[in-house]
Amino acid sequence: GAGVSQSPSNKVTEKGKDVELRCDPISGHTALYWYRQSLGQGLEFLIYFQGNSAPDKSGLPSDRFSAERTGGSVSTLTIQRTQQEDSAVYLCASTLDEFGQGTRLTVV
Amino acid sequence: KNQVEQSPQSLIILEGKNCTLQCNYTVSPFSNLRWYKQDTGRGPVSLTIMTFSENTKSNGRYTATLDADTKQSSLHITASQLSDSASYICVVSFFYGGGADGLTFGKGTHLIIQP
Repeated sequence: GAGVSQSPSNKVTEKGKDVELRCDPISGHTALYWYRQSLGQGLEFLIYFQGNSAPDKSGLPSDRFSAERTGGSVSTLTIQRTQQEDSAVYLCASTLDEFGQGTRLTVV
Repeated sequence: KNQVEQSPQSLIILEGKNCTLQCNYTVSPFSNLRWYKQDTGRGPVSLTIMTFSENTKSNGRYTATLDADTKQSSLHITASQLSDSASYICVVSFFYGGGADGLTFGKGTHLIIQP
């Protein structure tokens, strides 16, 4: 079946704009993770969804970051008022064995 | 503080040679340890996962070892191929509660295989 799908694959935005990144997890998987990978840095945990439980938001770096998961499936990561330090690859995982290819965000 | 340290940061070897990547961790309470391979521009792909009681796990030419007493793991690549050029990331899970494991990521070893 299809793996984890993320869109867009690349996004260039102006500083101060809002962006939305999308993740389509593997059908039927109840878990969903968002990670961020900055240049030369390791993967950084952002947020975790598990079924209908309240998400673990402990990794979100600021209140400009938020994420939703509608109907237990598709998830959207929103970054408001983007800053240059937000530039990174944002990865979504359906389980710890199934990562998407990521969205490369560049804030100019 | 939970930490995962990987060495070396980068490594260049000739095609056909073997190499070993290291991972030291201070993560508690330990749940499991994974090695991922990440090609440039792609998401990480899981190579091996080991729990506390497992000392070694193989996946083709990749063999991972775990010493839970010294909190060290290694990933050995045998007869390297050009396609092995990638970043190799060590990830240690700790019991977090609420049905999920917490994760601590290493920064990875960047491996380049030269012909």
